[in-house]
Amino acid sequence: QVQLQESGPGLVKPSQTLSLTCTVSGGSISSGGYYWSWIRQHPGKGLEWIGYIYYSGSTYYNPSLKSRVTISVDTSKNQFSLKLSSVTAADTAVYYCARGDATTIDYWGQGTLVTVSS
Amino acid sequence: EIVLTQSPATLSLSPGERATLSCRASQSVSSYLAWYQQKPGQAPRLLIYDASNRATGIPARFSGSGSGTDFTLTISSLEPEDFAVYYCQQRSNWPGFTFGPGTKVDIK
Repeated sequence: QVQLQESGPGLVKPSQTLSLTCTVSGGSISSGGYYWSWIRQHPGKGLEWIGYIYYSGSTYYNPSLKSRVTISVDTSKNQFSLKLSSVTAADTAVYYCARGDATTIDYWGQGTLVTVSS
Repeated sequence: EIVLTQSPATLSLSPGERATLSCRASQSVSSYLAWYQQKPGQAPRLLIYDASNRATGIPARFSGSGSGTDFTLTISSLEPEDFAVYYCQQRSNWPGFTFGPGTKVDIK
């Protein structure tokens, strides 16, 4: 059973960079075949896909966030990470890491709330 | 960009009733549509993939249908644990995913 766990600061100051890490257990990122995504959910709102990374390091980002997003992978630690720069209050959300194939997302982390505030 | 719309926004039903949720795409997504269930304070859970295939462990009361632009999620007889928010998601314009705004199924 694949499990994903997000970690990182719960509070980030405006204009700074949000950094989160997802640790994967029960499966290896480097085995291939899956896309490792970050998805967020603003309080009381719907789901917004941020981007994904493949084990090879290939990435694709939501065009609306592309200029501020970097997703990286560390296969030796079985982790992948999200960096979102120049954050504002509008980036306050629950951030999920997730695993998917080319059509669906089958495993999700529990989510972590990140608040942007001074 | 393909936009997904879901209707109704809220569906008020009683346990044992049939729930019919709609998802419409602004252009064809073929059968590349999935449905997720989300309960308060929890991550979404995959219910249906490729429009009509139940994910592992999903009860048979959940079924999906449709192709192209119009899709339906049906819950044949609502159980107490089924009251939640349901999202559809497409990947037709891969790479990338988009989600619908959700339908909340609440207790009448």
